[in-house]
Order: sequence, then C-alpha cells, then structure tokens
Amino acid sequence: QQQVKQSPQSLIVQKGGISIINCAYENTAFDYFPWYQQFPGKGPALLIAIRPDVSEKKEGRFTISFNKSAKQFSLHIMDSQPGDSATYFCAANEQGAQKLVFGQGTRLTINP
Amino acid sequence: KAGVTQTPRYLIKTRGQQVTLSCSPISGHRSVSWYQQTPGQGLQFLFEYFSETQRNKGNFPGRFSGRQFSNSRSEMNVSTLELGDSALYLCASSSGASLQETQYFGPGTRLLVL
Repeated sequence: QQQVKQSPQSLIVQKGGISIINCAYENTAFDYFPWYQQFPGKGPALLIAIRPDVSEKKEGRFTISFNKSAKQFSLHIMDSQPGDSATYFCAANEQGAQKLVFGQGTRLTINP
Repeated sequence: KAGVTQTPRYLIKTRGQQVTLSCSPISGHRSVSWYQQTPGQGLQFLFEYFSETQRNKGNFPGRFSGRQFSNSRSEMNVSTLELGDSALYLCASSSGASLQETQYFGPGTRLLVL
C-alpha cells in the first residue's frame, strides 16, 4: 500500500525553466512533509519541509505548495539549473512518530 | 560538525549469512533511524532508536533487528540473508528533541546478496 504517491517518475526540464513534482497522500495523521534531494552515491539531503497549517513555503528557488483539503503537495524549482539534476523524494511523517513515508521518487534532468 | 557516518560502505554476502551494519550519528543526536532503499520498493522505514530504545518499527520481518548504544551509535543486523535483501541501507539521525525534526542521512551501506 503506497501511502504517498509521487509523480512524475522522471522529468526533463530546460535550464531556466520551472520543475514541478507532485505528491498526494491518504493518511490524515501525517503532519510534516519534507522534500529530499538525492545525488548518485549519496544519501538523501533535506531540501525544504512544510507543516499542514501553512499553504506555501519558499526557500530560495525552491517552493512547496500544500493543499490540505486535497491532500496534495508539490515542489516547484524555479530557474532550474543543471546542478539540480538529481532524484527528488517527497515524504510524510505521521503525528507522534519519527517515521518517514517516502514517495517513489522523481528523477529530474535539467538540460543545459 | 561531522555528518552521519556508516560502515562499511559496500558489502557482499551470500544467501543464508548474516550481516551487521554500523551507523554513527551526528554528535549530540540521540535518535537514529534506518531505511532500506531499493529500485522497486523505494525508501522504506525499518526502525528508529532513541536513547537505546526502539521507539518506532516498520513492516519488516524479524530477521531485521537493530540496537543503539549509550553513545547513540547504532547497529542493524540482518540474519539469514535473502537475495531480496540486496539494497542500500541508510541511516539517519536527528536530535530527538521532537518528532518532526530534520533527519540527516548518511551515505548508506550498499549490500549485495549473492
């Protein structure tokens, strides 16, 4: 049972464009939603995170949009750069537990 | 501050053997979580330890076990290895002060079971 569904599986964007990755969840007990970036041979690194009482959070070129009623959240990468080419994972943490549930990942390629 | 370290980085075992992986969290962090990453199943939570006690557990068989020492270092053990246990095993640490903290991941141990 996939608790967090992520799309698309892969994405190709031109340099300078906007990359958008979407996630949806079912469990209303989730109350913390981080996004991780993973480069080959490395562990995931936290990019940005949001809690359900906020509809949007921006850090530099990265923005999370959160729709609590639709149980969806998305990552927007503005002015995408070749160095952003990596695999991105959305995740959700259940209230009262230190236990991340991850989406399946999106392989992002930024063409120069 | 040094990051999360995991040893060994690579490991090859045969079916039926057992394996122990080690994780040293960021200095001062008391919570250590383990995840399994495979191409088919993605990243899956194994268990979390805080102050030497298992606080959360994922849906893995009893062949997967772990422990945490008084210095917060953690080990996970997989007994009676199966081909499907081939994966990248990731350790993550956090301070443990709350349940919604950033988890910092190590580089992982890549296990190949032949």
